[in-house]
Amino acid sequence: QKEVEQDPGPLSVPEGAIVSLNCTYSNSAFQYFMWYRQYSRKGPELLMYTYSSGNKEDGRFTAQVDKSSKYISLFIRDSQPSDSATYLCAIVQGAQKLVFGQGTRLTINP
Amino acid sequence: KAGVTQTPRYLIKTRGQQVTLSCSPISGHRSVSWYQQTPGQGLQFLFEYFSETQRNKGNFPGRFSGRQFSNSRSEMNVSTLELGDSALYLCASSRLTQGRYEQYFGPGTRLTVT
Repeated sequence: QKEVEQDPGPLSVPEGAIVSLNCTYSNSAFQYFMWYRQYSRKGPELLMYTYSSGNKEDGRFTAQVDKSSKYISLFIRDSQPSDSATYLCAIVQGAQKLVFGQGTRLTINP
Repeated sequence: KAGVTQTPRYLIKTRGQQVTLSCSPISGHRSVSWYQQTPGQGLQFLFEYFSETQRNKGNFPGRFSGRQFSNSRSEMNVSTLELGDSALYLCASSRLTQGRYEQYFGPGTRLTVT
């Protein structure tokens, strides 16, 4: 079983829709959770990080952590074509060691 | 503010050769991490350096090594290249300042082993 599981998609939604991206993790000891966006031929970009259960909001993005279910989510409101990218979740396992999910390829259709 | 730079951007090597990749972090960032990205395995952690010391290492063979210099620049080396080492190698620099975590990835070095 992988430490972090993420549905690779692809996921295609119309512009303006709410997007839900999800990951599950196996080790309840994990404390810090990250979400990245990666455009084609670019390095990942850190979108949000959180270390507690509940929601954290930043503009159109909301990160949600449910430690009891070992489930993390990223919601994108009012999705735009420029949000089309691969989204990766990651958990922090020790000093700067990130364990990534496979990534979900998202397309927002105008 | 300059971003993380990686050189070279593209590299073609043959099996058995060795390769050295370079990463220059953002000014003020003392932590540099290296990752390998492939379509099959995704992003996998290689190692992390802070103030010239390796603090963490992933599950890669000893052919993969790295180091960090006093100016925080880092290099990684892969010896005796194998076809399976073909990948995008990414480095990230980071710091924790005033309770806020900053991390930036470079554009990567795409290594092709033939």
